[in-house]
Amino acid sequence: DAKTTQPPSMDCAEGRAANLPCNHSTISGNEYVYWYRQIHSQGPQYIIHGLKNNETNEMASLIITEDRKSSTLILPHATLRDTAVYYCIVRVVSSGSARQLTFGSGTQLTVLP
Amino acid sequence: EPEVTQTPSHQVTQMGQEVILRCVPISNHLYFYWYRQILGQKVEFLVSFYNNEISEKSEIFDDQFSVERPDGSNFTLKIRSTKLEDSAMYFCASTAYVGGEQYFGPGTRLTVT
Repeated sequence: DAKTTQPPSMDCAEGRAANLPCNHSTISGNEYVYWYRQIHSQGPQYIIHGLKNNETNEMASLIITEDRKSSTLILPHATLRDTAVYYCIVRVVSSGSARQLTFGSGTQLTVLP
Repeated sequence: EPEVTQTPSHQVTQMGQEVILRCVPISNHLYFYWYRQILGQKVEFLVSFYNNEISEKSEIFDDQFSVERPDGSNFTLKIRSTKLEDSAMYFCASTAYVGGEQYFGPGTRLTVT
């Protein structure tokens, strides 16, 4: 699986958009970009994933650059409850394999009141 | 909303003792995982399980570890003879299909004294 690089920490004002970048310059064509978050030692929580098109769900938007070498997770209106470590994970999805997640250090997002 | 559950939430054991950590994955899921997180460190993959057998395992998952799906609902992780360095949060996860989002349980905090 391709390596990812994320800033170790970011702050965001409550109510503003939080934009979390991720660099995955060695990504290959069959690798997806996943985002998870972990709130204070709770179990990681899935946020969103995509291959090459931008994706949006009720939690966030995922913007993947055209060359797929980087992506940005956008939380449109951050709340204090969004304070967490956010993980960008790149992995191959192949049939018949359970394919684990490989977590890095992530970005500690702190939403400030 | 369906969720992964884990018991116990906290287990204290003495070095050399056997422990069994229990998980109930989401009912229609087919792929199951154990991860662990030592305090202050990254979430680490231990093992994945599919079709009643181990699919992949990490270097951490040595002969002291075993997994089992004894019935249609439970998924267990056994540590045969615990060591101090096994102290960690252990997370169970499940997913319905390859590449799908993994749902994590709240974790079991294992403390080995």
